[in-house]
Amino acid sequence: GQQVMQIPQYQHVQEGEDFTTYCNSSTTLSNIQWYKQRPGGHPVFLIQLVKSGEVKKQKRLTFQFGEAKKNSSLHITATQTTDVGTYFCAVGSDYKLSFGAGTTVTVRA
Amino acid sequence: NAGVTQTPKFQVLKTGQSMTLQCAQDMNHEYMSWYRQDPGMGLRLIHYSVGAGITDQGEVPNGYNVSRSTTEDFPLRLLSAAPSQTSVYFCASSSGGSYNEQFFGPGTRLTVL
Repeated sequence: GQQVMQIPQYQHVQEGEDFTTYCNSSTTLSNIQWYKQRPGGHPVFLIQLVKSGEVKKQKRLTFQFGEAKKNSSLHITATQTTDVGTYFCAVGSDYKLSFGAGTTVTVRA
Repeated sequence: NAGVTQTPKFQVLKTGQSMTLQCAQDMNHEYMSWYRQDPGMGLRLIHYSVGAGITDQGEVPNGYNVSRSTTEDFPLRLLSAAPSQTSVYFCASSSGGSYNEQFFGPGTRLTVL
């Protein structure tokens, strides 16, 4: 499957601060999905991006697909304790979904 | 709707034992898949199915078998368990293959001694 690299692997955030996690590929992607997994839980779908330069927002979360469709980012504003978890990007091709290693977010109150 | 269900939640096996992890969905999804999750490695695709009677290998298929006799069920069989198969296993289903939202089950935590 296609390889995607996620950075950073860990993100320690002060409550109220913003942060961004990135998903990068060496090849052009047809689509990218983002999932969130709470500690001890299962991955839950957040969003899918398919268009070059696409930007989608979900409350405090902003998702972006790069113009060249080789990278994507997730930006969270005013981090809350409910944002704790691991965020994965995933790329679909030929019936296979390839996940990045994830960014694990912890929040300091 | 129950969504995607998995049994058991926890399992401990001895090396060489075999077992079947169960997965079922009630959303009439054609696409189903199995992943394993290990620390720091994200989720890796083991096998997937695009419909009843059709299965194919994912990224890490060795040591695992699957079958899909009905749309609802997609069991994963470990033929001869090894310590390297200690992991958390997730089943997922989707209405549009790998290009659509995946619905994940709660997972099975497997330990092989």
